[in-house]
Amino acid sequence: QKEVEQDPGPLSVPEGAIVSLNCTYSNSAFQYFMWYRQYSRKGPELLMYTYSSGNKEDGRFTAQVDKSSKYISLFIRDSQPSDSATYLCAMSAEGNQFYFGTGTSLTVIP
Amino acid sequence: DTAVSQTPKYLVTQMGNDKSIKCEQNLGHDTMYWYKQDSKKFLKIMFSYNNKELIINETVPNRFSPKSPDKAHLNLHINSLELGDSAVYFCASSQYPFSGIYEQYFGPGTRLTVT
Repeated sequence: QKEVEQDPGPLSVPEGAIVSLNCTYSNSAFQYFMWYRQYSRKGPELLMYTYSSGNKEDGRFTAQVDKSSKYISLFIRDSQPSDSATYLCAMSAEGNQFYFGTGTSLTVIP
Repeated sequence: DTAVSQTPKYLVTQMGNDKSIKCEQNLGHDTMYWYKQDSKKFLKIMFSYNNKELIINETVPNRFSPKSPDKAHLNLHINSLELGDSAVYFCASSQYPFSGIYEQYFGPGTRLTVT
C-alpha cells in the first residue's frame, strides 16, 4: 500500500466551477500537509501547506486536513483556465522527508 | 535568475551507458534532493543531502550515485542505464530540513529516455 493515495483523474471542469481534490494517507505520524501545482513540463511548485488538522485559505484556494480520517482536500473556487495543471499532495512527519501522491490532472475549460 | 537549475533538460541515451545530471541552486539552501517522476506522474524521493552530507537514501539501485561537491550543487550519476530508468528527474532544494514547514523549490526536470 502506498503511503499516500490520490485519484489521478483526469478531471475536467468548466470555468468558474468549484474543484475538489483529495488525498488519503495511511501514516498517522504525518503532520505537515502540502499541495503542489505542476504545469506541463515544469517542476512542481508549492501552492499551500497546513500543519496538523484544520483549514487554510489563500485567495481562491482552501486546504483542509482531517487527521482523524487521514484525508486532505484542496478546493479551488471560481476555477480559471490557468488553473489547468497537475496537483500533487505531499505529506511529511517531521519535515525531513516528503511523500507525494500521484497527482490529479485538472483541465478547466473556458 | 533561475533558482534551481538542471542540465541537461533532455537526455536520450542507450541501455548500458553511463550518464550524469547536474543540479545547482542559488538560493543559499542547505538541503538538496533528487526525485524521480514516472510516466504516471508519481514523484518519489531518491536522495537528500544536507550540507554535502547524505541524509536520505531511499531504496534505489546502487547504479545511482549522488555527489555533492558543495551545498549549492548535487549531481546524479547513473551507471549501466536500463529501460526502466526512463523518467523525469527533478532536483529540489530547501532551507530547513528538520524543523517546521519548509518549501522545496524544484528545478525544471531532466527528461531521461533510455532506448
